Amino acid sequence: AQSVAQPEDQVNVAEGNPLTVKCTYSVSGNPYLFWYVQYPNRGLQFLLKYITGDNLVKGSYGFEAEFNKSQTSFHLKKPSALVSDSALYFCAGISSGSARQLTFGSGTQLTVLP
Amino acid sequence: KAGVTQTPRYLIKTRGQQVTLSCSPISGHRSVSWYQQTPGQGLQFLFEYFSETQRNKGNFPGRFSGRQFSNSRSEMNVSTLELGDSALYLCASRKGQGDTGELFFGEGSRLTVL
Repeated sequence: AQSVAQPEDQVNVAEGNPLTVKCTYSVSGNPYLFWYVQYPNRGLQFLLKYITGDNLVKGSYGFEAEFNKSQTSFHLKKPSALVSDSALYFCAGISSGSARQLTFGSGTQLTVLP
Repeated sequence: KAGVTQTPRYLIKTRGQQVTLSCSPISGHRSVSWYQQTPGQGLQFLFEYFSETQRNKGNFPGRFSGRQFSNSRSEMNVSTLELGDSALYLCASRKGQGDTGELFFGEGSRLTVL
């Protein structure tokens, strides 16, 4: 079975400060990992993905994520948060093996305070 | 290029009724997935279709069904509605059937069951 965990329901950060949204995974084989963002009353938007290669992945809107195999983590980061980054963030993962279903974490509500 | 279009955006039904939701994927995308989003359960995978064939199915009762047409448009149907079916139903499309591609989500159909 595969699972993705987001240990924090809520993250608050001041504008201009760095932000981190945490994600850990339990996926057999080599994982494919994704981050999506959801604004109020909207669908999810793709931010970035890790498939293979460089452990540091850069994505949209200045976000990046670091794949850490030993810690089974894929934390989302941004050096300087904007108020407009406030949204619900989802980590998702899938095994490169036989499992075909993308599993989402429970989501983390990020609030950037002005 | 037009995004994923879901109709209707909002609907209210009563227990025991049935509902059909529609999803038009991005032009050229042949894979369509459906997700149920609720505050308590987060994002739950319903099913995925590729080239009119159901490729994968989540852990939902048989009241939930779907299909895909030759033009890649998809519909999902929920019969004998229950209060717990109230949710945001999200459709997502992807160009190919590979698991490394990002999903493009519609804005969802918000179903309220009274």
